[in-house]
Amino acid sequence: AQKVTQAQTEISVVEKEDVTLDCVYETRDTTYYLFWYKQPPSGELVFLIRRNSFDEQNEISGRYSWNFQKSTSSFNFTITASQVVDSAVYFCALRDPSGNTPLVFGKGTRLSVIA
Amino acid sequence: DVKVTQSSRYLVKRTGEKVFLECVQDMDHENMFWYRQDPGLGLRLIYFSYDVKMKEKGDIPEGYSVSREKKERFSLILESASTNQTSMYLCASSLGGTGDGVEAFFGQGTRLTVV
Repeated sequence: AQKVTQAQTEISVVEKEDVTLDCVYETRDTTYYLFWYKQPPSGELVFLIRRNSFDEQNEISGRYSWNFQKSTSSFNFTITASQVVDSAVYFCALRDPSGNTPLVFGKGTRLSVIA
Repeated sequence: DVKVTQSSRYLVKRTGEKVFLECVQDMDHENMFWYRQDPGLGLRLIYFSYDVKMKEKGDIPEGYSVSREKKERFSLILESASTNQTSMYLCASSLGGTGDGVEAFFGQGTRLTVV
């Protein structure tokens, strides 16, 4: 069975601090997909990144970076120089490689960035 | 851009009513999903569909049914609404297959209150 654990329920940081959101996953599949989504107060989940299990390169997009480590089954998300607009709930998700299966989500981490 | 549209942003229904939540996507996606989001529980899958007229139960299908008569539309039905179905309902769609584009895209959510 697949499982995603986001151990941090809530995090609060002061603006301009760096913050890392943890994601640990479990799967028996040798290939899989990992995702991060952002849910701002408006409620709609916004897709941030997809990572294939065979691609362990870390990725950077502006102030966002993702660290994928297969050895520890982790896919952590770092926001550098956080801003108030980063305040949201962030979800990590996992999907198996077949074409017609749903994403399995963690319970989310609520990030509050204080000015 | 992918567009997933849910018919209502907010709904208030009475206990025992039959409730229809509608979802339409405009990107010809094979897969469509209904999730329920509750505080502390994250996103839980109710039902998904990988093709027209096909449906699969998710983790919490009890009290719900679905209909997919056309590829672009996926309806969630609460046969007899109860107060414990008060929640945020999120619809999503994704391509079938593997590779690029397997991420799910979400609608804006429907906040349902059953009184």
